[in-house]
Amino acid sequence: ETGVTQTPRHLVMGMTNKKSLKCEQHLGHNAMYWYKQSAKKPLELMFVYNFKEQTENNSVPSRFSPECPNSSHLFLHLHTLQPEDSALYLCASSSGAGTGELFFGEGSRLTVL
Amino acid sequence: AQSVTQLDSQVPVFEEAPVELRCNYSSSVSVYLFWYVQYPNQGLQLLLKYLSGSTLVKGINGFEAEFNKSQTSFHLRKPSVHISDTAEYFCAVSEAAAGNKLTFGGGTRVLVKP
Repeated sequence: ETGVTQTPRHLVMGMTNKKSLKCEQHLGHNAMYWYKQSAKKPLELMFVYNFKEQTENNSVPSRFSPECPNSSHLFLHLHTLQPEDSALYLCASSSGAGTGELFFGEGSRLTVL
Repeated sequence: AQSVTQLDSQVPVFEEAPVELRCNYSSSVSVYLFWYVQYPNQGLQLLLKYLSGSTLVKGINGFEAEFNKSQTSFHLRKPSVHISDTAEYFCAVSEAAAGNKLTFGGGTRVLVKP
């Protein structure tokens, strides 16, 4: 496989469930990102990891818990979510060159009932 | 902090007609500018970027954009669109010193009609 792969592509969960989103990149990049894409709102940066270390947490509620075990994998653990958390969650990766080119996965569409 | 405004949320256009998508940004420091495209049910992919140098930037699929520092704009153009250009287009900015930390605009949905 090449590029950035996200699983699952679709997820429906209740407010009391615990689930996880997974992202894997095969590009040899050092940085990985979680973005939230909601209807009628700009993409919101949630978390940034550089070399497995979290370098950005954009005031994300604690019901979202990221994990980056290595530079190729990124998880987003979800628990006690709210219906307003329903959105498309996009993972991206980039090299350390700082030129702003992000490579995105196809996203995980989350619906919270 | 920087911000990005895409002035049009939707742009309908006929096939083979030209299209321009407007983007304005605000920042107190030097910036990098980007246009990304999102086709239905897909993630975003980079169309083009401005880092420095020539203010006219050419990207993939026949798109180009022009950086205008005095007007703080980075409008995207294509002289003749195809049905396959139907997608959502996002303008983004980052501080030149911050590299990969992008702030996105709200997106412009382009619908190409036959």
